[in-house]
Amino acid sequence: GIQVEQSPPDLILQEGANSTLRCNFSDSVNNLQWFHQNPWGQLINLFYIPSGTKQNGRLSATTVATERYSLLYISSSQTTDSGVYFCAVNTGGFKTIFGAGTRLFVKA
Amino acid sequence: DGGITQSPKYLFRKEGQNVTLSCEQNLNHDAMYWYRQDPGQGLRLIYYSQIVNDFQKGDIAEGYSVSREKKESFPLTVTSAQKNPTAFYLCASRKGGNSPLHFGNGTRLTVT
Repeated sequence: GIQVEQSPPDLILQEGANSTLRCNFSDSVNNLQWFHQNPWGQLINLFYIPSGTKQNGRLSATTVATERYSLLYISSSQTTDSGVYFCAVNTGGFKTIFGAGTRLFVKA
Repeated sequence: DGGITQSPKYLFRKEGQNVTLSCEQNLNHDAMYWYRQDPGQGLRLIYYSQIVNDFQKGDIAEGYSVSREKKESFPLTVTSAQKNPTAFYLCASRKGGNSPLHFGNGTRLTVT
């Protein structure tokens, strides 16, 4: 089956810093989503982005489907950005597979 | 408000007992999913269902069972055959295969 790899596995930032998280996938995908899991375990939809670029406030994402990767940019990080960021993909049909996540800690 | 409701939030059981986790959605979504998350780990797919009365095994289905008798409901039973049932269980749904996945708030199951 498809492999989804996220990097880096862990990231520590000073408040105000910028960062880029990466998601590589081993096969063509029909769609791709980025999620943020907060410290209480809630999974928040950030982007549904099978291709192209989207922006939402301080966050933006780019998926280059032909090269099988997606990037999540966080600018001017805040302590509330801490948590785990997951990438999830579909190869076709309904089966959705998650990467292992990037654990982000933003220091005040 | 539309959403996905998982209940209870915390669940405690003795080893050897079956336990059923509830997941209800009022989003009129066709597909529903169950994922398991262990501490510090990612999400692993247990079962998913594309339509009523049909479901498929995910990557870690052993020791679990599901039913999909109604579009709105997709309960998960953790059986005594599941060797390490203590985990965080997340239910999700989506309208179609190429639409965003939405999650409930999860159920933390502890088996002692």
